[in-house]
Amino acid sequence: ETGVTQTPRHLVMGMTNKKSLKCEQHLGHNAMYWYKQSAKKPLELMFVYNFKEQTENNSVPSRFSPECPNSSHLFLHLHTLQPEDSALYLCASSEGIYSNQPQHFGDGTRLSIL
Amino acid sequence: AQTVTQSQPEMSVQEAETVTLSCTYDTSESDYYLFWYKQPPSRQMILVIRQEAYKQQNATENRFSVNFQKAAKSFSLKISDSQLGDAAMYFCARMDSNYQLIWGAGTKLIIKP
Repeated sequence: ETGVTQTPRHLVMGMTNKKSLKCEQHLGHNAMYWYKQSAKKPLELMFVYNFKEQTENNSVPSRFSPECPNSSHLFLHLHTLQPEDSALYLCASSEGIYSNQPQHFGDGTRLSIL
Repeated sequence: AQTVTQSQPEMSVQEAETVTLSCTYDTSESDYYLFWYKQPPSRQMILVIRQEAYKQQNATENRFSVNFQKAAKSFSLKISDSQLGDAAMYFCARMDSNYQLIWGAGTKLIIKP
């Protein structure tokens, strides 16, 4: 399935670097999500956007900065990350935040902080 | 706190046999949705099956079926005729009243040829 595309697939960065993760969905959905996936832990919801407006920020540190220019694109800007931020970052989309329809996921970006 | 528990970190099954993955959850809500997602190694998380809590009939999708016990707050996934391509992490999730997914920690399924 190529409905949700994430780039890059892998990213290695130092703690002082600035980088961005990109997500694009081709499903005509209105809601987009960022999740953090760490080994042996449940997925952690980070941010939710609905019609490009942020509706949820689950107490995420300010070193993670999301951006949603339109309903099809979602970015996660990274700055001054910590080693514990190393994880798989998943983007997902759905019809809308008030829909019971399932979320569709991208392949994720594997982030390693040196 | 509302939680979803997958008590089996890892399961293995012989190819062509049947395996059941367990999931329990905690909620005071009466109407909600439950999902099983599959995440193959280095590949996308995809939906396996979905169950609406107000429906008594268990959902089925080809070789995948659920045993939904609402009173016990249990939502197990049965995979029949296991295939090598079924090897993956399986995640159980419940959609809460805010339409957000609450996830379990996952079960790694190994298929033995």
